Amino acid sequence: GAVVSQHPSRVICKSGTSVKIECRSLDFQATTMFWYRQFPKQSLMLMATSNEGSKATYEQGVEKDKFLINHASLTLSTLTVTSAHPEDSSFYICSARPGGQGLGGYTFGSGTRLTVV
Amino acid sequence: QKEVEQDPGPLSVPEGAIVSLNCTYSNSAFQYFMWYRQYSRKGPELLMYTYSSGNKEDGRFTAQVDKSSKYISLFIRDSQPSDSATYLCAMTSQNNNDMRFGAGTRLTVKP
Repeated sequence: GAVVSQHPSRVICKSGTSVKIECRSLDFQATTMFWYRQFPKQSLMLMATSNEGSKATYEQGVEKDKFLINHASLTLSTLTVTSAHPEDSSFYICSARPGGQGLGGYTFGSGTRLTVV
Repeated sequence: QKEVEQDPGPLSVPEGAIVSLNCTYSNSAFQYFMWYRQYSRKGPELLMYTYSSGNKEDGRFTAQVDKSSKYISLFIRDSQPSDSATYLCAMTSQNNNDMRFGAGTRLTVKP
């Protein structure tokens, strides 16, 4: 089945630094990838939709200059948290949908736990 | 009102019990319905997906959709301790680009 690899699984960084999270589709091409954020005991909140070769679409309230998304190839999307602050500490998860698939095509990465100190 | 409502629990049952998890939604554009299982600090894993109203069975899991009531359910038969996890309902419209999740229900199955 489709596999999405997400790295790193855990990162601790100092306030003011930037952190890059990678999401790779290992055995399929992903024309669309999605980035979610999840706070403890809460549901996944869609942050942005990333499309290969074009600008990401951000959900309302998500700062595009703070959460930079790049989808430069059909197998890789990156989320960079710029000038991270403690309130950015959260669990970030990506998902991908193989090109051409419809229902049931979402596969999730294993998530990245970001802690900003 | 949230688009998708799901009781966060927690829900605790003894091993072997039948578990019923539910979600309601308000957006009639939602056409595809999914249930995900998420273990602690892991990404969600797809369990079931359905499109039409009715039941879909897969092993010990049964997904039920009632579009007229905007209500979906997941039943787990003969629950096992390994079923202990958070269960999230999710749904999307026809374009399949706007998935929305419920809050997730934390389930514990006690041996």
